[in-house]
Amino acid sequence: DTGVSQDPRHKITKRGQNVTFRCDPISEHNRLYWYRQTLGQGPEFLTYFQNEAQLEKSRLLSDRFSAERPKGSFSTLEIQRTEQGDSAMYLCASSPEGLAGGEQFFGPGTRLTVL
Amino acid sequence: GESVGLHLPTLSVQEGDNSIINCAYSNSASDYFIWYKQESGKGPQFIIDIRSNMDKRQGQRVTVLLNKTVKHLSLQIAATQPGDSAVYFCAENSNYGQNFVFGPGTRLSVLP
Repeated sequence: DTGVSQDPRHKITKRGQNVTFRCDPISEHNRLYWYRQTLGQGPEFLTYFQNEAQLEKSRLLSDRFSAERPKGSFSTLEIQRTEQGDSAMYLCASSPEGLAGGEQFFGPGTRLTVL
Repeated sequence: GESVGLHLPTLSVQEGDNSIINCAYSNSASDYFIWYKQESGKGPQFIIDIRSNMDKRQGQRVTVLLNKTVKHLSLQIAATQPGDSAVYFCAENSNYGQNFVFGPGTRLSVLP
């Protein structure tokens, strides 16, 4: 399977703990996106990378959220001092660079539950 | 802020009938739109896209219509099948693939 993969698929944690999620994009895609999706809602954009550069991070929900893509391949999303309100599905997507199309290919998501 | 919304939160159709899912957007600068399908436990899956220089685009059993005058987007599914049951999202952006804004979604239920 050469699609976008995310790990773990499910994470249960206690309030106040730190969590880190990983995303492996489609190998030839240099754009990578993180979204958050709560139940019954559409995905909410968080941040975006082009290669290793984080070009948009103003939508990260608070300073407890951070993302990295150190080598321009996989990316991690970290949430520090988790709160119950952080419980959601965290989606990663990738896309190729270029103006011809803007389709983003989504991974299966990581479902976070904060107790 | 700018947002994308949907007229109908749920839609039930008989198998074999055509489905129409509607979406209103408010950002007049949006120039690219995508319809996504999301099944339970999965990430959104691309269905069809359209740029603002077009008003209609057809795919396999699906058609997207764009009316820029009233900022309205619709997805038509022909001969709806049980496998079409899912939540459908419209998404828009104005920056060539960056920063998509998604609507809240419409759940499509296909009745036997």
